[in-house]
Amino acid sequence: AQTVTQSQPEMSVQEAETVTLSCTYDTSENNYYLFWYKQPPSRQMILVIRQEAYKQQNATENRFSVNFQKAAKSFSLKISDSQLGDTAMYFCAFMKLLYGGATNKLIFGTGTLLAVQP
Amino acid sequence: DGGITQSPKYLFRKEGQNVTLSCEQNLNHDAMYWYRQDPGQGLRLIYYSQIVNDFQKGDIAEGYSVSREKKESFPLTVTSAQKNPTAFYLCASRSLVRGAHQPQHFGDGTRLSIL
Repeated sequence: AQTVTQSQPEMSVQEAETVTLSCTYDTSENNYYLFWYKQPPSRQMILVIRQEAYKQQNATENRFSVNFQKAAKSFSLKISDSQLGDTAMYFCAFMKLLYGGATNKLIFGTGTLLAVQP
Repeated sequence: DGGITQSPKYLFRKEGQNVTLSCEQNLNHDAMYWYRQDPGQGLRLIYYSQIVNDFQKGDIAEGYSVSREKKESFPLTVTSAQKNPTAFYLCASRSLVRGAHQPQHFGDGTRLSIL
């Protein structure tokens, strides 16, 4: 069974600084997807960034980028130029690549609560 | 605007009572999911459905039931058999078009508490 581990329950960063959130996972699969979701105080889950395991290039979305190390089963999220609106719970998630639909379940980590300080 | 609507936002359950959480989507997504979120435990999958009139148990289905009579709707019933229902419940949906990698989109959630 796949597991996702986020070892940092809480983190804090100053506005405009850079912060890195850690995520490791355990799987015997070779093809899969990894995601970072953000959950602000409003509790809505918002997709931040995703990475296909077969792609060596790290995904980037504006101020958000990942460091994907497949051999080490590591998938960290880097937030550059942190903004107050980045304050949220961040979840790392794994999805096995199965063609055929809904059975592609998301396995979530326990989350990291990020506080951006003014 | 397309999206996922969960209602109510807050719900209270008495002992021995069944309650139903609503989830409606207008994204034309085939797959729908229910998750439970507890503090310190992340999200855990309760049930999911790929097609109308078909659904599968997730990791923590005991004490819950679902139906999928319409593509747009996937209501979750928390039965009296669920002894610890207090949690935040999130509904999600996903397109199955264009391959397996489409991400899940989430609703705003329902917070269920015991009276």
